[in-house]
Amino acid sequence: EPEVTQTPSHQVTQMGQEVILRCVPISNHLYFYWYRQILGQKVEFLVSFYNNEISEKSEIFDDQFSVERPDGSNFTLKIRSTKLEDSAMYFCASSRQGNSPLHFGNGTRLTVT
Amino acid sequence: KNEVEQSPQNLTAQEGEFITINCSYSVGISALHWLQQHPGGGIVSLFMLSSGKKKHGRLIATINIQEKHSSLHITASHPRDSAVYICAVREGGSQGNLIFGKGTKLSVKP
Repeated sequence: EPEVTQTPSHQVTQMGQEVILRCVPISNHLYFYWYRQILGQKVEFLVSFYNNEISEKSEIFDDQFSVERPDGSNFTLKIRSTKLEDSAMYFCASSRQGNSPLHFGNGTRLTVT
Repeated sequence: KNEVEQSPQNLTAQEGEFITINCSYSVGISALHWLQQHPGGGIVSLFMLSSGKKKHGRLIATINIQEKHSSLHITASHPRDSAVYICAVREGGSQGNLIFGKGTKLSVKP
């Protein structure tokens, strides 16, 4: 069965550095999403992306964050000037349509030191 | 903004028991998701429903739109069902903008 794949599985970075989290959604899916889960807390929505543009974003998704679909397969989340509080598990997901079930990747654990 | 509440927060069961996890929300929704989060952190989508009932193997999900309530049932529970079960709701015309519950941690003992 097709899967959403995320790389790396674990990323350690120093405060102030930029990180790029990578995702390969399922190939015939049209909608892409990023979520994050701070350790011990609820999963939170960050952003949804469709037709090469952001369709929705949460209050968390400020100017520090950006998303891109640089080619036909990858979907990336860039975090500029990381802060300690950006440490979390980041999940990518995709869906065939906007109201279809979501398929999640296994997540990237980001640790900011 | 929707508030999503799950109960119980923690649940320990013996293998073979019938399990029910509850989810309630405060504002009308367009869909409700049940998700399973494994100990390693990965998330698997179990159900997406907007009305009635769905069944997949030993799992059954129901939703009552009028009561703003959903339940996830596991029949003949097994230790491999041990995981965190998360309810998440989608409002109106939103797509992936889900509001998540805190999750129910299930442990099934052999």
